[in-house]
This record gives sequence, structure tokens and C-alpha cells, in this order.
Amino acid sequence: GAVVSQHPSWVICKSGTSVKIECRSLDFQATTMFWYRQFPKQSLMLMATSNEGSKATYEQGVEKDKFLINHASLTLSTLTVTSAHPEDSSFYICSARDLGTGAPDTQYFGPGTRLTVL
Amino acid sequence: KNEVEQSPQNLTAQEGEFITINCSYSVGISALHWLQQHPGGGIVSLFMLSSGKKKHGRLIATINIQEKHSSLHITASHPRDSAVYICAVSGGGADGLTFGKGTHLIIQP
Repeated sequence: GAVVSQHPSWVICKSGTSVKIECRSLDFQATTMFWYRQFPKQSLMLMATSNEGSKATYEQGVEKDKFLINHASLTLSTLTVTSAHPEDSSFYICSARDLGTGAPDTQYFGPGTRLTVL
Repeated sequence: KNEVEQSPQNLTAQEGEFITINCSYSVGISALHWLQQHPGGGIVSLFMLSSGKKKHGRLIATINIQEKHSSLHITASHPRDSAVYICAVSGGGADGLTFGKGTHLIIQP
């Protein structure tokens, strides 16, 4: 089946540093990947839609200069949290849509990255 | 923007019981997803529905498009079913998902 990986699975960093999270579709191509975050005891929230070869589309309230998204290939999207602060500590999850299926609404989820900013 | 409501928020049941989790949404959708999230955070997609009913093992998902409502049923529940079950909807096209707050299910032996 379709597999999406994320790296790293967890990261602890100091306030002010930047952190890059990778999302890869391992056995399929994805023109569209989605980035979500989940604060403790809250539901997942869509942050941005990442489109291969073009700029990401950010949801209202998500700072595009702080959360840099690059979707350089059909199998890789990266999310960089710039100048991270403790309030950015969260669980970040990506998902990818499989081009090859006949079900365009199907999304496959990565295992998530837990970010802790000290 | 779609509003997705799930009930109950928390559910504790005994092993073997029949479990029902409900989801309602406010705006027409192209698909509804049921997801399972384990304590470590990883998410598994259980079902994607646009109409009718789907069954996979002990799990059954139904959707009523007219009533904007879906249910997830677990038959012969087992402690390993303990997890957070999340309902999410998509509007089709390039839209991401809108999620409910999840139902925290605990199955006691």
C-alpha cells in the first residue's frame, strides 16, 4: 500500500533555531501534499497545501514566512519552522494524495513529527 | 468552512461490546474519512466514504449524505481497538481535510 514517511519523528530544539521536517511518499507520486499540526488534546488543523513546482497555499492564520514549505519533487515536501518558539511545539503531520489512484480524495498520512521547542 | 462534530468525545466500554461513534458535518462534502490515531500520534486511514456503507473486518462505516451524518461501528470490540477515532471531511479537488475533535475510545478487558 501507499506509504508516507516523515523525518525526523521527533525533534527538540532551542528557541530561535530553525527546524526542517521532511515528508516523502515512498511508493507513489504526489503532486499535492498537506501539512497539518495538532496541539495537545486538540484536533488536527490544516496548515498548508503543498503543490509540486508551485507555491504552497496557506490557511488563514498560518504565517507563510515562518512555516516555509518546499515541494521540489513529486515525492518530497519539506516544512521548515523558522525561528522556532515554544508556542510552535506541536505534532506536525503530512499527508499525500496518490496520483495513480482513481480516488482523488484519498490521502495517506505520515507518522508525524513531534517538535518541542525549549 | 465545514464544521465537523463528533460524539461522544470519550467512550469507555467493556471488551466485546458493540461501539458506535457518530460524526456530523455542516456543509456538503465530496468524501468523509474515518481515521485512527494511536497514543504515539501516528494516523491510520480506516475508511473513505462518499456514499453508503463500507466494511473492513470488525469495522463498519456508514454515511447519509442527505442528513450529513456518518457513523463508525466496531463489533466485538477488543482492547487493541483503544485509540482516538477521528472523522474528517474533504471538499474534493485540492482541499485538505477538516477534522472533528476525535473520540477517545478505551476498551477494557
